[in-house]
Amino acid sequence: GENVEQHPSTLSVQEGDSAVIKCTYSDSASNYFPWYKQELGKRPQLIIDIRSNVGEKKDQRIAVTLNKTAKHFSLHITETQPEDSAVYFCAATGNTGGFKTIFGAGTRLFVKA
Amino acid sequence: SQTIHQWPATLVQPVGSPLSLECTVEGTSNPNLYWYRQAAGRGLQLLFYSVGIGQISSEVPQNLSASRPQDRQFILSSKKLLLSDSGFYLCAWSVLNTEAFFGQGTRLTVV
Repeated sequence: GENVEQHPSTLSVQEGDSAVIKCTYSDSASNYFPWYKQELGKRPQLIIDIRSNVGEKKDQRIAVTLNKTAKHFSLHITETQPEDSAVYFCAATGNTGGFKTIFGAGTRLFVKA
Repeated sequence: SQTIHQWPATLVQPVGSPLSLECTVEGTSNPNLYWYRQAAGRGLQLLFYSVGIGQISSEVPQNLSASRPQDRQFILSSKKLLLSDSGFYLCAWSVLNTEAFFGQGTRLTVV
């Protein structure tokens, strides 16, 4: 079945450094790739997304890149701040099985002040 | 605007008791509906998803079932809870190939 792998599972960076989280997906029909941030005890919320007709998208300090050939996509956070500390999930959605969204296992990001 | 309601927020149930978690969506029609489970410190496991009334797909064999009696209502049930059913349950909706919106979640503890 469809699968999304996410690495690393935990990531610790110093405030001001960059953080990179990588995901790979198995379903070649996937064409929508959102990233969610989940703070402790709260629901996941979308922070950025990218569609398969685009290779890169940026929104202030966060950016996402997509390589459809290799079936992998990455989240880049620059100038990290303590409030960036959270769990980040990548996901892939495609029209296989009615636009089912499959999530990666999550990355716990710690930003040390 | 669209909203999603999920209740209860927390639940403590004894082993062997039944379960019913409800999720409703407002402001949209024919949404895709999802139930996810998140074990402590772990990722989001897709349990069920539905593309329409009465259409339920199960992703993993388990002690749970789901139903969609109305277009914007999604129910997660169990006849007899197990200790391993404890976790954080999240309902979500999306339309076609777009962002998923999550409910507030239900923290279930089976004792």
